[in-house]
Amino acid sequence: GAVVSQHPSRVICKSGTSVKIECRSLDFQATTMFWYRQFPKQSLMLMATSNEGSKATYEQGVEKDKFLINHASLTLSTLTVTSAHPEDSSFYICSARSSGGNIQYFGAGTRLSVL
Amino acid sequence: AQKVTQAQTEISVVEKEDVTLDCVYETRDTTYYLFWYKQPPSGELVFLIRRNSFDEQNEISGRYSWNFQKSTSSFNFTITASQVVDSAVYFCALDTGFQKLVFGTGTRLLVSP
Repeated sequence: GAVVSQHPSRVICKSGTSVKIECRSLDFQATTMFWYRQFPKQSLMLMATSNEGSKATYEQGVEKDKFLINHASLTLSTLTVTSAHPEDSSFYICSARSSGGNIQYFGAGTRLSVL
Repeated sequence: AQKVTQAQTEISVVEKEDVTLDCVYETRDTTYYLFWYKQPPSGELVFLIRRNSFDEQNEISGRYSWNFQKSTSSFNFTITASQVVDSAVYFCALDTGFQKLVFGTGTRLLVSP
């Protein structure tokens, strides 16, 4: 199957700082990438959908100024959590899908802890 | 509205037992796709299967098998002769063509030796 790499796997930061998470498709071109948030023992909540070269589409209730998404190339999307606060602590996971395909391949996730 | 229900929150079995994970979905669309993903403790979601709404054939892949029944809107997943490595959270998901996956709440499977 297709491989999606997500980095870092774990990050601890101080309140008020910004954190960038990278999501890369390693062996295919991802025209669409998705960012999810998962709380402990819960399902995945879609935060936003990003298409290469265009602005991300955010789900209702997700602050676009807080969660900046950039999909500058067909193999890379980034999520930046700006001015992070303890309530932003969570597991963030990305997925990627190729053009014409509808299988989402997921990264290994990033566990963010904001102190 | 689209919805996926996984009524079993947690299942515990002993190694070598067979186990079935239930998935019931709701959609008004006639064309849709159903998925199963496995999330081991490491966190990554592993794609297991995709089934489109026009293909009701059951599928078997090694110890895994899937039963798709449109009449009951179900897409159940059976693991035969379970192993400890099967311990994970399993998610059923629905895609109705709007580029979004609607996930169920997941079933945590614990296989004991």
